[in-house]
Amino acid sequence: SQQGEEDPQALSIQEGENATMNCSYKTSINNLQWYRQNSGRGLVHLILIRSNEREKHSGRLRVTLDTSKKSSSLLITASRAADTASYFCVRDSNYQLIWGAGTKLIIKP
Amino acid sequence: DVKVTQSSRYLVKRTGEKVFLECVQDMDHENMFWYRQDPGLGLRLIYFSYDVKMKEKGDIPEGYSVSREKKERFSLILESASTNQTSMYLCASSLYDRLSANTGELFFGEGSRLTVL
Repeated sequence: SQQGEEDPQALSIQEGENATMNCSYKTSINNLQWYRQNSGRGLVHLILIRSNEREKHSGRLRVTLDTSKKSSSLLITASRAADTASYFCVRDSNYQLIWGAGTKLIIKP
Repeated sequence: DVKVTQSSRYLVKRTGEKVFLECVQDMDHENMFWYRQDPGLGLRLIYFSYDVKMKEKGDIPEGYSVSREKKERFSLILESASTNQTSMYLCASSLYDRLSANTGELFFGEGSRLTVL
């Protein structure tokens, strides 16, 4: 039950640049979470933002949520090679977790 | 730190074999999940459990069963493995988020890559 899209599907930037990934959804949510997955490994939780929040920060990460547009974005500032990974947004809606297909981010040295 | 441990990182099985994938978490989480991840398809939920001996079907339960006899352990069973079950299997756990009455942050194991020949 995957609803919504992540955009772009793939992103390649130079080290030091900022990376922005977007996530749109169709049904109402209770919260939205972002996860990172390094190649072939398990997923790591980055940020959870509740439906009544508009913005959250964690280190170099900034997540915004616009419930009127049913969209969220993840901004990674001053990217590093170690940020190379796939990033997933997960919508928590009525006790269902809805996963997107992910954005593959490559940081070029 | 929360730790979710999956018993095997890599397994190779033959068609028709019974396969057990074990998952243990050490933080007393109520919720536990089994996902499979295939290229281009993202994560798909197989089964989840919100309490001991409780289980709920996810999006793709066919060909799988689960067991949760103890709170810390959630096992995925393939009764008769088939080649289309070749995949990466991911276990996760979470606390029930009482503030929002939702699932909360998921903690994942490292994954078990199963190949069925």
